[in-house]
Amino acid sequence: DAGVIQSPRHEVTEMGQEVTLRCKPISGHNSLFWYRQTMMRGLELLIYFNNNVPIDDSGMPEDRFSAKMPNASFSTLKIQPSEPRDSAVYFCASMMGGDTEAFFGQGTRLTVV
Amino acid sequence: GENVEQHPSTLSVQEGDSAVIKCTYSDSASNYFPWYKQELGKRPQLIIDIRSNVGEKKDQRIAVTLNKTAKHFSLHITETQPEDSAVYFCAAPRGSNYKLTFGKGTLLTVNP
Repeated sequence: DAGVIQSPRHEVTEMGQEVTLRCKPISGHNSLFWYRQTMMRGLELLIYFNNNVPIDDSGMPEDRFSAKMPNASFSTLKIQPSEPRDSAVYFCASMMGGDTEAFFGQGTRLTVV
Repeated sequence: GENVEQHPSTLSVQEGDSAVIKCTYSDSASNYFPWYKQELGKRPQLIIDIRSNVGEKKDQRIAVTLNKTAKHFSLHITETQPEDSAVYFCAAPRGSNYKLTFGKGTLLTVNP
């Protein structure tokens, strides 16, 4: 398996534009997590899915953020409209569930100007 | 509130010295405690984990200890090397769906 795959690796967009981040988890993993990482706030959990169902989205900062997992092999995180304060590295991670290792993607570095 | 608190936020040691990072957690139902290492510009990766049925686990220069009564667990790195320089995160997944939240991280710098 190629591991957790995120795209794009880098995204630069103008304020107000819609941004879509994509994640392909490891096959067979049933939990998927979206994180945002900044110097000030560390590694924040935004939302996580279990068996494609959103379990906890309490970390989503506001209504501009939304996430979907239409099937076991794909998830998206959308920001609409984007703002400069959304600039961060966004990580997707998947795990088999329970007390097992979480595998992270390489991250998407988002810059909103 | 925060599930896991991690200290210190930064730690600087001389090469060859030991480093200790401590985390406390709130949910007594937590029974799995992983540690992740994130090198600059890279993704976090698991380096060691411990389950609640043991009090200590070692892997070469790295060890983790767990005190369930006090609800804290610690990462110990002995004979530190410059390549140990990174940010280290602890976690205490909780709930039946294992919500994986991390501590704020510790920036470890090993000076040659």
